[in-house]
Amino acid sequence: DAGVTQSPTHLIKTRGQQVTLRCSPKSGHDTVSWYQQALGQGPQFIFQYYEEEERQRGNFPDRFSGHQFPNYSSELNVNALLLGDSALYLCASSLVISGANVLTFGAGSRLTVL
Amino acid sequence: GNSVTQMEGPVTLSEEAFLTINCTYTATGYPSLFWYVQYPGEGLQLLLKATKADDKGSNKGFEATYRKETTSFHLEKGSVQVSDSAVYFCALSRESGGSNYKLTFGKGTLLTVNP
Repeated sequence: DAGVTQSPTHLIKTRGQQVTLRCSPKSGHDTVSWYQQALGQGPQFIFQYYEEEERQRGNFPDRFSGHQFPNYSSELNVNALLLGDSALYLCASSLVISGANVLTFGAGSRLTVL
Repeated sequence: GNSVTQMEGPVTLSEEAFLTINCTYTATGYPSLFWYVQYPGEGLQLLLKATKADDKGSNKGFEATYRKETTSFHLEKGSVQVSDSAVYFCALSRESGGSNYKLTFGKGTLLTVNP
C-alpha cells in the first residue's frame, strides 16, 4: 500500500521564479494538507484541501496557492520565490470522516532558492 | 493562538538510558496532543497521541500523558536504542476529537543515541 508520494524530491530555483510541487495521497485518503519546514524548525501549516476546495489556510501570503484534483492528488504553487522560501515542503493526507486527526506524511520536497 | 514549546536539543544519550523530552502547550479549547518522529531523509511518522486529559499515549516503548493542569505532554522512554536516533516533534490540533484540523508543531528535538 503506497503511502504519500511527493515530487520532485529536490529542486533548485532562483529568486522570482515559480515552482509547482506535487502530492499523491495515501490510498483511501481524501484530504491533503501542506506544511513548510524550514531548516531546524517544526513544520508550519500552509493550507488544507478537501473536495477540491481550500478548507483552511495558515499564515502564508497569496504567493502560495494550491489545487486538489478529482483523484485527490494536490499541487502546491509558489510564485515570485524569495530566498526565505527555501525549505522542506511536506504533504500530508488523511480521511475526513476518520475523526482521528491522524495525518500520513510524505518524505517531502526540498526547495532551494538561490 | 495555539503554540507548542519543547525542550531545546540536541539530546545525546547512551544506549539503555532513560529519555525525557519536555513539551508544554498553549491552546484554546481542548486540543489533541501528538508526538511525531522524523528519521533522516524521511517524512514525519506519528509516534503516539492523546485526545483528552489524563490519557496516556504509548507506542514502541515511548509514552506520554496528557496533563491539562500543567499543559504538558512530556515524552518518555525507559531504555533508548541507537535506532531511536531521530528528531521528535510535539504537536497539537485545535480541538479534541476534531477531524483534520491543522497541526501546530514545536521546533523539534534532535535525539542521538550512542552505542
